[in-house]
Amino acid sequence: GQQVMQIPQYQHVQEGEDFTTYCNSSTTLSNIQWYKQRPGGHPVFLIQLVKSGEVKKQKRLTFQFGEAKKNSSLHITATQTTDVGTYFCAGLMWNSGGSNYKLTFGKGTLLTVNP
Amino acid sequence: NAGVTQTPKFQVLKTGQSMTLQCAQDMNHEYMSWYRQDPGMGLRLIHYSVGAGITDQGEVPNGYNVSRSTTEDFPLRLLSAAPSQTSVYFCASSYSTLRGYYEQYFGPGTRLTVT
Repeated sequence: GQQVMQIPQYQHVQEGEDFTTYCNSSTTLSNIQWYKQRPGGHPVFLIQLVKSGEVKKQKRLTFQFGEAKKNSSLHITATQTTDVGTYFCAGLMWNSGGSNYKLTFGKGTLLTVNP
Repeated sequence: NAGVTQTPKFQVLKTGQSMTLQCAQDMNHEYMSWYRQDPGMGLRLIHYSVGAGITDQGEVPNGYNVSRSTTEDFPLRLLSAAPSQTSVYFCASSYSTLRGYYEQYFGPGTRLTVT
């Protein structure tokens, strides 16, 4: 089926180190969205990428969308303890079995930061 | 603006019992969805709706029913609870256009335990 794979599943870093999580889709995506979920909380929207090759920055976070619109990455520079949480990508793709769009989440990357 | 609200926050059921998880949004969003979150499994789509009167199955629909009689409400019904349905359930909503769905607003979640 249509899937969005996300790696790594876990990442533990020392405060100040960089962090990257990757998403890959088997299908071309209409857009890709990124979310952050703090421990015990609910997912919160970070950003959406729509264009091929798009790069967006939010302070220490850099988001990229691949040229083929099948992969994406989130890079955090100089992690802080406030970055702790699970980061999810979600790919929007046309539902080949139906007549509408389908938003598929990756399994997420749990980031822990050692102060 | 309350956003997306879910009730109850916690629920314990015995095997075989039925119940309805409530979800409501006050943002006039067309798209609403239900996810379950289990450790290591990410967010799995149960059912979704692109508008009042329209629902469709997601990745893991078995054992759950939904209906969408109004734009605001999207209840999830467990027909006969099983221990495998122990999970955290999130409802989400977003705007919907011909180009797809956008920023997902998540509710705070319902933690369900089935004994």
